[in-house]
Amino acid sequence: AQTVTQSQPEMSVQEAETVTLSCTYDTSENNYYLFWYKQPPSRQMILVIRQEAYKQQNATENRFSVNFQKAAKSFSLKISDSQLGDTAMYFCAFMGHTGTASKLTFGTGTRLQVTL
Amino acid sequence: EAQVTQNPRYLITVTGKKLTVTCSQNMNHEYMSWYRQDPGLGLRQIYYSMNVEVTDKGDVPEGYKVSRKEKRNFPLILESPSPNQTSLYFCASSLAGGFSTRETQYFGPGTRLLVL
Repeated sequence: AQTVTQSQPEMSVQEAETVTLSCTYDTSENNYYLFWYKQPPSRQMILVIRQEAYKQQNATENRFSVNFQKAAKSFSLKISDSQLGDTAMYFCAFMGHTGTASKLTFGTGTRLQVTL
Repeated sequence: EAQVTQNPRYLITVTGKKLTVTCSQNMNHEYMSWYRQDPGLGLRQIYYSMNVEVTDKGDVPEGYKVSRKEKRNFPLILESPSPNQTSLYFCASSLAGGFSTRETQYFGPGTRLLVL
């Protein structure tokens, strides 16, 4: 079974600074997807970024980028130029390809606070 | 607008009183899924459906039922709710359940359930 570990329950960063959220996962699969979801106080789950395991190039979406290390099974999220609106819970998620269906396996989340 | 909708958004009920949480998507997605979110546990999958009339158990299916009679709808049924089912519930959908290079799960706004 796949597992996803987020070892930082809470983090804080000042506005305009850069912060990196960590995520590691365990799987025996070779083809899979990795995601970061943001959950603001509204509780809505918002997709931040996705990465296909077969792509060596790290995904980027504006101020958000990932450092995908397949051999190390690591998938960290970097937020540049942090903004107050980035305050949220961030979940790392893994989606495999086993059998006839796939599912998202989530980490326990990192609560990010952006301060002035 | 492409979206996943859930109803109701908030629900307070009593132990044993059957309830249904509806989920609908307008993106013609094949794959739909239900998750529950509990503090410190992230999101865990309850049930999923790869297509009409095809459903299967996720990680925490006990106490829940689902059906998929139409492609767009995937209701979650609690036949006899208990207090340990108090949680935040999310419905999600995706194009093909992992077999598409554009695979991404889109989430509904969540349903907060309190069982007394």
